[in-house]
Amino acid sequence: DQQVKQNSPSLSVQEGRISILNCDYTNSMFDYFLWYKKYPAEGPTFLISISSIKDKNEDGRFTVFLNKSAKHLSLHIVPSQPGDSAVYFCAATRGSNYKLTFGKGTLLTVNP
Amino acid sequence: GAGVSQTPSNKVTEKGKYVELRCDPISGHTALYWYRQSLGQGPEFLIYFQGTGAADDSGLPNDRFFAVRPEGSVSTLKIQRTERGDSAVYLCASSYEGRETQYFGPGTRLLVL
Repeated sequence: DQQVKQNSPSLSVQEGRISILNCDYTNSMFDYFLWYKKYPAEGPTFLISISSIKDKNEDGRFTVFLNKSAKHLSLHIVPSQPGDSAVYFCAATRGSNYKLTFGKGTLLTVNP
Repeated sequence: GAGVSQTPSNKVTEKGKYVELRCDPISGHTALYWYRQSLGQGPEFLIYFQGTGAADDSGLPNDRFFAVRPEGSVSTLKIQRTERGDSAVYLCASSYEGRETQYFGPGTRLLVL
């Protein structure tokens, strides 16, 4: 039973354009959501997060949007750069300092 | 500052052998987590320590898996009688108490032949 779903295994975009990565969740108890980026042979690197009390959080080129009624969140990267090419994982948790539930990831390729 | 470190980076063992995987968290982080990532999947939770005690070990797949954190810092994940299905990347993460952001180490790639 996948509680966090990333339905697109891969996404390819042109440098300079917007990348939109999507994530759906089923557990309404989740109240904190995170995006991690992972390069091959490295551990996941924290990118950005959002609490369920917000619907948007922005950090430089990265913006995360949360739609609680749809149980959906998305990560926007603009403008996309070749160095953004990596696997992006959506993760969710409830409460603080507790276990993360991850999606399967989306491989983003940004073409020069 | 130094991030989460894990040793060894790679481990090849034979079916039935015992292995130990080590995690050194970020200094000052009281919470420590172990995850396992199989090919094509996201990381899956194994166990969570708050200080020296295992606050939640519900993700350990069976009693062949055990983890300790005797002094509230370094942790060791122990796997007895390894099976080929245990082959995966074992990730460790740490965080400050009361904060949600977990910082991951590079992982240990375990291959059971």
